Amino acid sequence: SYDLTQPPSVSVSPGQTASITCSGDKLGDEYAYWYQQKSGQSPVLVIYEDTKRPSGIPERFSGSNSGNTATLTISGTQPMDEADYYCQAWDRSTGVVFGGGTKLTVL
Amino acid sequence: EVYLVESGGGLVQPGESLRLSCTASGFTFSSYAMTWVRQAPGMGLAWVSGISVSHISLSGGDTHYADSVKGRFTISRDNSKNTVYLQMSSLRAEDAAVYYCAKSSSSSWNAAFDIWGQGTTVTVSS
Repeated sequence: SYDLTQPPSVSVSPGQTASITCSGDKLGDEYAYWYQQKSGQSPVLVIYEDTKRPSGIPERFSGSNSGNTATLTISGTQPMDEADYYCQAWDRSTGVVFGGGTKLTVL
Repeated sequence: EVYLVESGGGLVQPGESLRLSCTASGFTFSSYAMTWVRQAPGMGLAWVSGISVSHISLSGGDTHYADSVKGRFTISRDNSKNTVYLQMSSLRAEDAAVYYCAKSSSSSWNAAFDIWGQGTTVTVSS
């Protein structure tokens, strides 16, 4: 099976830059997607096809994907960005795969 | 406004069956693949099943399943009712989760999931 690995937690001070990584074998050969899930809410797509932002997602959210690592970057992190973040990719044999999730704390 | 509303969750005993429904509004349902994702209590997201678009049948195209549910769960869609279903049988304790319905951003089941429902809770316990 195909696995995506994320750090369990990331902490950042308000206004600083947060980076959340997602690692998988040859992940850069596939599109990576990122979802934000705030406590008690449904997931929201924040980055698709490695670097694209859906309508309504603030510009401070950006993504990259190369080699074995995809990265979600939040510039000028705000307290409202505190949430769990999940990466997702597609594997030919496994299907849709989610990373284990990263809890972003803004303190 | 685009909406997905799941229903059908509940408490069942191990080995029993349950059918989840997800009704869509605000977009052309027949043009998009749909998927089910679940989240066990305190855990992360886990993909369950996806169904693509069929240009021949009103009941949908290719279906795909996670290994953990293959042979026990069946995904289907009724484009005339704007609804996707997940028929779950031989339920196990480890199937207990919040089940989310999500819309794919294209006709293919392996694209981004750009709209999510509010989820419906399945509890499996004797």
